[in-house]
Amino acid sequence: EVELLESGGGLVQPGGSLRLTCVASGLTFSNRYALSWVRQAPGKGLEWVSGISGSGGGTYYSDSVEGRFIISRDNSKNTLYLQMNSLRVEDTAVYYCAKDPAPRVRGAFDIWGQGTKVTVSS
Amino acid sequence: QSDLTQPPSVSGSPGQSVTISCTGTSSDVGYYNRVSWHQQPPGAAPKLLIYEVTSRPSGVPDRFSGSKSGNTASLTISGLQPEDEADYYCVSYTNNTTLIFGGGTKLTVL
Repeated sequence: EVELLESGGGLVQPGGSLRLTCVASGLTFSNRYALSWVRQAPGKGLEWVSGISGSGGGTYYSDSVEGRFIISRDNSKNTLYLQMNSLRVEDTAVYYCAKDPAPRVRGAFDIWGQGTKVTVSS
Repeated sequence: QSDLTQPPSVSGSPGQSVTISCTGTSSDVGYYNRVSWHQQPPGAAPKLLIYEVTSRPSGVPDRFSGSKSGNTASLTISGLQPEDEADYYCVSYTNNTTLIFGGGTKLTVL
């Protein structure tokens, strides 16, 4: 069974940093699949945060996190990362990793993780 | 960039059909055939229902169908079943090489 498992969430103070990790099982990342991070604030809808192409050569961000978050991947480790810096209260959310079935970010997420919770609070 | 516009809620009785709209602009929904729909049951992770406007992944019942006209994409669910009760989200590729989600629609099966 193909699964994505996120980790690294937790409680952090405003201005702090966290690194989220997403590991795939039952699936080889390879450069054939783009990956994204999508978040969901408490009681709110889904918000796309960032995406990375299959090769890792293309990285994309929403305006709300541009300049603060960095997405990366290590295909040899089947792992996706999200380095989150200068965290704000409004970054509080469950963060999902999601896989596109093609090398470019498209939003056709055929596999979703179960999410990791990030709380930014003093 | 603002979210794609979806109705906050829709409802229908078992066996009926409902349609959820997703309105964007000529920079996203209207320009690209890269609109997907995801279903999120309460307390669960989302699941892909439709991709590239009209395509269904294997395992998704053909009761779920997608379409697009101009800047508006639509998801139609026919033969409503109680287990269809969930939140539904559209997402589109944009000309800024980003993705944008709709605000979500809560489907209630009466």
